[in-house]
Amino acid sequence: ETGVTQSPTHLIKTRGQQVTLRCSSQSGHNTVSWYQQALGQGPQFIFQYYREEENGRGNFPPRFSGLQFPNYSSELNVNALELDDSALYLCASSSRQEIYGYTFGSGTRLTVV
Amino acid sequence: GNSVTQMEGPVTLSEEAFLTINCTYTATGYPSLFWYVQYPGEGLQLLLKATKADDKGSNKGFEATYRKETTSFHLEKGSVQVSDSAVYFCALSPRNSGNTPLVFGKGTRLSVIA
Repeated sequence: ETGVTQSPTHLIKTRGQQVTLRCSSQSGHNTVSWYQQALGQGPQFIFQYYREEENGRGNFPPRFSGLQFPNYSSELNVNALELDDSALYLCASSSRQEIYGYTFGSGTRLTVV
Repeated sequence: GNSVTQMEGPVTLSEEAFLTINCTYTATGYPSLFWYVQYPGEGLQLLLKATKADDKGSNKGFEATYRKETTSFHLEKGSVQVSDSAVYFCALSPRNSGNTPLVFGKGTRLSVIA
């Protein structure tokens, strides 16, 4: 059973740029969620995808967008990066059939300068 | 709305000391409750969970009991080890579903010294 894999592990971007983060879901999981964890804070829900469609969104602006692919992998895209976007971005996969079965990846550390 | 409040850290304990990390929640209905642990440089790992009132979750010597009357889910361990040093997050899921987003507390950093 494979876990959740995120890439890259770290990256540095300049304010105003765009970034794409990637996530490979755990085998058998059909739902993926993205969370933003600012330094010293708990993770905040960004959005969730199920069957390639957005299925719930937290309090994040539209410049945060995502995709889910037929193999259930996912991307998080952030446009017009701001300094406050610097955070650890966590991907979690789950299955509607498996209650509480969230599996988190190790995250991508994004630094915006 | 749904929210989780947990005691602020950092918490520093000597090895073999007793640990309590307080967590209270606000939620509509009957949420499921979780404790996650984050070791340095890593993602989140589920430590334990409880899905209904009076349930006790336990794992690796850690325990937490779902107390509906006090809306609490305090984490306890009788004897901590240096390897328990990490950040602990209390979280809730508003509905009994595998795809309901989690609501997290701010985390409590635990340092255990030998």
